[in-house]
Amino acid sequence: KQEVTQIPAALSVPEGENLVLNCSFTDSAIYNLQWFRQDPGKGLTSLLLIQSSQREQTSGRLNASLDKSSGRSTLYIAASQPGDSATYLCAVRRGTGANNLFFGTGTRLTVIP
Amino acid sequence: EPEVTQTPSHQVTQMGQEVILRCVPISNHLYFYWYRQILGQKVEFLVSFYNNEISEKSEIFDDQFSVERPDGSNFTLKIRSTKLEDSAMYFCASQAGQNYGYTFGSGTRLTVV
Repeated sequence: KQEVTQIPAALSVPEGENLVLNCSFTDSAIYNLQWFRQDPGKGLTSLLLIQSSQREQTSGRLNASLDKSSGRSTLYIAASQPGDSATYLCAVRRGTGANNLFFGTGTRLTVIP
Repeated sequence: EPEVTQTPSHQVTQMGQEVILRCVPISNHLYFYWYRQILGQKVEFLVSFYNNEISEKSEIFDDQFSVERPDGSNFTLKIRSTKLEDSAMYFCASQAGQNYGYTFGSGTRLTVV
């Protein structure tokens, strides 16, 4: 069964810092990986989707990388802002068959003004 | 930007009662899902729905759960006889196709008392 782990569980940084969030998964046979943002008590907002054949995706100040063979992905946030404060979740989709996602436990990010 | 809409945002029900959670997926999407998140835990897959039938379900999705797409726009999750442990945030999601990412709704917080 696919297990997804995110480290650290919580992170607090001063505004303006660059930071990296980590995601690892046990089964490298994935179809794609998606990073989400979750604000307290709210839904999941999609940030980036990386297909298994891709190495990275960028959107604004966000850059996500994927190393499928080692079972790792990172989310890089440049020039962090207080509005980036949220929980960041990574989720992987299996390589074959079903379409469902396996989620990590998330990293709770606090950006201090 | 198109959204997945979920109603109600919060529902309180007594143990043993039936509840129906409602979702309106994005109109041209083909795949539909329900996930849940118990407070402090990972987001977990419940069921996927494609071509008017369940395509996969998890071990959580037992006989107490059912899904329907009654009119081509709504997608509902019914819990026949709620238990205390069904208390969670329930998320609906839709997907345009297999190569696309998920779009999640803002969730329904179900509290069983």
